[in-house]
Amino acid sequence: DAKTTQPNSMESNEEEPVHLPCNHSTISGTDYIHWYRQLPSQGPEYVIHGLTSNVNNRMASLAIAEDRKSSTLILHRATLRDAAVYYCILRGSNFGNEKLTFGTGTRLTIIP
Amino acid sequence: GAGVSQTPSNKVTEKGKYVELRCDPISGHTALYWYRQSLGQGPEFLIYFQGTGAADDSGLPNDRFFAVRPEGSVSTLKIQRTERGDSAVYLCASRFLAGGADTQYFGPGTRLTVL
Repeated sequence: DAKTTQPNSMESNEEEPVHLPCNHSTISGTDYIHWYRQLPSQGPEYVIHGLTSNVNNRMASLAIAEDRKSSTLILHRATLRDAAVYYCILRGSNFGNEKLTFGTGTRLTIIP
Repeated sequence: GAGVSQTPSNKVTEKGKYVELRCDPISGHTALYWYRQSLGQGPEFLIYFQGTGAADDSGLPNDRFFAVRPEGSVSTLKIQRTERGDSAVYLCASRFLAGGADTQYFGPGTRLTVL
């Protein structure tokens, strides 16, 4: 599986935007970029995913570099509830490639 | 609606004992996954079921670990002769395979402690 690299930790002030980076220089043409987050004492929760174009949903936006070697998860206005570990994951689209390969993620701390 | 549920939420056992961990997926989800998460690490894939059959068990660490899903719904992860190194949070996830839905929905996990 192609690997992702994320900073171990980040801090942001409440009610400000947060940009969480992810490098994936060995991404293949059929790999989707997925983001999950894990709040304390909970299982991971899907945030967003994309292939080539930028994506928006009610939780976040995903900005994908033109060469697809990096991406950025954007939380537009962080709240204390957004404090979590954020995982950037590549998943192939070929049939049978079902598992998610998690790294150690970025621990996001929100400062009130 | 109800999410993925896992029981028990906590399990403490002694080295060498047998344990069973249960996962109830979201109703109608045909795909079911087990992951294991050690302290400070991301979840690690163990096994994936499509319906009743294990489609990918490449993540099971050794033959002490076994999982079943006899009716294509509830799944049980079974660990024989537990070792202290098996202590972790065991996570279950399910997914609706049709229509290109790609999201895995995770349960809260079972925290297993082997003394």
